[in-house]
Amino acid sequence: GNSVTQMEGPVTLSEEAFLTINCTYTATGYPSLFWYVQYPGEGLQLLLKATKADDKGSNKGFEATYRKETTSFHLEKGSVQVSDSAVYFCALNQGAQKLVFGQGTRLTINP
Amino acid sequence: DVKVTQSSRYLVKRTGEKVFLECVQDMDHENMFWYRQDPGLGLRLIYFSYDVKMKEKGDIPEGYSVSREKKERFSLILESASTNQTSMYLCASVSTETSLWNEQFFGPGTRLTVL
Repeated sequence: GNSVTQMEGPVTLSEEAFLTINCTYTATGYPSLFWYVQYPGEGLQLLLKATKADDKGSNKGFEATYRKETTSFHLEKGSVQVSDSAVYFCALNQGAQKLVFGQGTRLTINP
Repeated sequence: DVKVTQSSRYLVKRTGEKVFLECVQDMDHENMFWYRQDPGLGLRLIYFSYDVKMKEKGDIPEGYSVSREKKERFSLILESASTNQTSMYLCASVSTETSLWNEQFFGPGTRLTVL
């Protein structure tokens, strides 16, 4: 079946550091890929998405590129802020608008 | 502004109790979902609904049922709560309009503790 694997957390960085959160997937066909973010005490919200190979999703300084050859969708940001502290979820669409989520990566940014 | 609300942020129940979790969306979305979120496991789909009175099982439906009598409301029911159902429960909805395809909108979650 379809699945998503994220790098283990938690991840702790200093402000202005470079961020990478790895995400790889297993799927039949060509699913859409997503990053959702969950800030403390809130539900998930869509951060960015890519719907086909080589697409780059971007939002709020975050980027991720759909790499079909490596089945990956790594999340990156060049300079993180304290306000980026949250839990990040990688997900894929497995049809009928159903999403399969990774286990989540907790990110903490220290000033 | 898009909004999904859940009836409680925190809930404490006893083993064997019947528990209702309510979710309401104001976006006229056709599809609604219930997930549970557990550390290290991410989100897992319990049930989803494509339309009023329509429901389908997700990946972990055992011990749960759902009800969708109105388009805007999707209820999750724990018929007889057990301690292994202690979790964060998240509701989501999504439009079938092409331009909004696949962006699920989530409620704030209900943290349920079963004692």
